[in-house]
Amino acid sequence: EDQVTQSPEALRLQEGESSSLNCSYTVSGLRGLFWYRQDPGKGPEFLFTLYSAGEEKEKERLKATLTKKESFLHITAPKPEDSATYLCAVLYSGGYQKVTFGTGTKLQVIP
Amino acid sequence: DAGVIQSPRHEVTEMGQEVTLRCKPISGHDYLFWYRQTMMRGLELLIYFNNNVPIDDSGMPEDRFSAKMPNASFSTLKIQPSEPRDSAVYFCASSTRLAGGPGTGELFFGEGSRLTVL
Repeated sequence: EDQVTQSPEALRLQEGESSSLNCSYTVSGLRGLFWYRQDPGKGPEFLFTLYSAGEEKEKERLKATLTKKESFLHITAPKPEDSATYLCAVLYSGGYQKVTFGTGTKLQVIP
Repeated sequence: DAGVIQSPRHEVTEMGQEVTLRCKPISGHDYLFWYRQTMMRGLELLIYFNNNVPIDDSGMPEDRFSAKMPNASFSTLKIQPSEPRDSAVYFCASSTRLAGGPGTGELFFGEGSRLTVL
């Protein structure tokens, strides 16, 4: 049973073309939803933590939002250096310290 | 701080051989996690430790896998005997905060050990 589902699997954007990545979750008792960025050959790098519905976090061209069922990572006017795989993860009541990851969205930004 | 350090970065071995992956967490972090990443299944948690004690190993696929943390600055993940389906990138991550509070859940990952079993 999938607990964290990300869509789309891959996304190709022109530089400057804004878009959103989706992360939907089915766990109960969400304690935190996290976004990570992963570059090829590297480990995931932490971006944001969201704790409750309605919360938003921003960092440069990235903005993460959270509802009771899903989270969005909005990318405004992306640049080629934003190309990476973006991973969503959740920590929930039944999972204690286990952070469960989705399979990611591979973003490619074309100059 | 140098971050989480993993070795080796790449390992190619033959089926049936023993493989040992190593991890040095960030100093002061009292949680250590081992993940496996494949194209098909993404990042899967194998086991995690708190203060050097294994807390949950339910993600360890089989008895062929074992992990130890003899002290706060070192952990190993061992596969014996290895099989081709074990081929993946193995990540170690560490963290300093308990679940549920501000700043929790931020995991610091190493660069991974890419394992290929022929």
